Amino acid sequence: GQQVMQIPQYQHVQEGEDFTTYCNSSTTLSNIQWYKQRPGGHPVFLIQLVKSGEVKKQKRLTFQFGEAKKNSSLHITATQTTDVGTYFCAPRRGSTLGRLYFGRGTQLTVWP
Amino acid sequence: EAGVAQSPRYKIIEKRQSVAFWCNPISGHATLYWYQQILGQGPKLLIQFQNNGVVDDSQLPKDRFSAERLKGVDSTLKIQPAKLEDSAVYLCASSPGGSNQPQHFGDGTRLSIL
Repeated sequence: GQQVMQIPQYQHVQEGEDFTTYCNSSTTLSNIQWYKQRPGGHPVFLIQLVKSGEVKKQKRLTFQFGEAKKNSSLHITATQTTDVGTYFCAPRRGSTLGRLYFGRGTQLTVWP
Repeated sequence: EAGVAQSPRYKIIEKRQSVAFWCNPISGHATLYWYQQILGQGPKLLIQFQNNGVVDDSQLPKDRFSAERLKGVDSTLKIQPAKLEDSAVYLCASSPGGSNQPQHFGDGTRLSIL
């Protein structure tokens, strides 16, 4: 079945430091979505990557899709306390109707 | 626009009892999903509907879980009988279509089995 590894599982940073989480798949993906879940909240959609080597930016967030479409990363520059939460990658393989496979997520804590 | 509505927010039952959750997706969204999220894990898809038809229920424990979306709008998820390992948050999500579109999640129902 689909193997999705997301690392690290936990990350603690000082406010202002950068943060990166990585998502690795054992199989080629058709696309990948990223979600953020605040403590006690529900997942909220951040971005979707479709093309090989794609890079998208949202303010301090940079998302990348690997050339082989087997891995992806989310980088946050100069973290803020509002960035606290769990970041999930959700790859999709095969048909566009195929399910999303959520990883375990990376739980980010930001110290003020 | 109004978000995905779920009820109840919390439910506590004893094992072997039955429980039902309700979800009303965003108006006009054809695709509806039910996820199970166990503490410390990512959401796991239980069932996906496209309008009132099932697209994927391969991870639904059909001996105890059932779901329906009779009129292609709101949906119910039922567990009968419940087991201790069913303790989790049950999330409903919807998207406008089935292809490459963001999923919008409700606040979920937190289920505790005693």
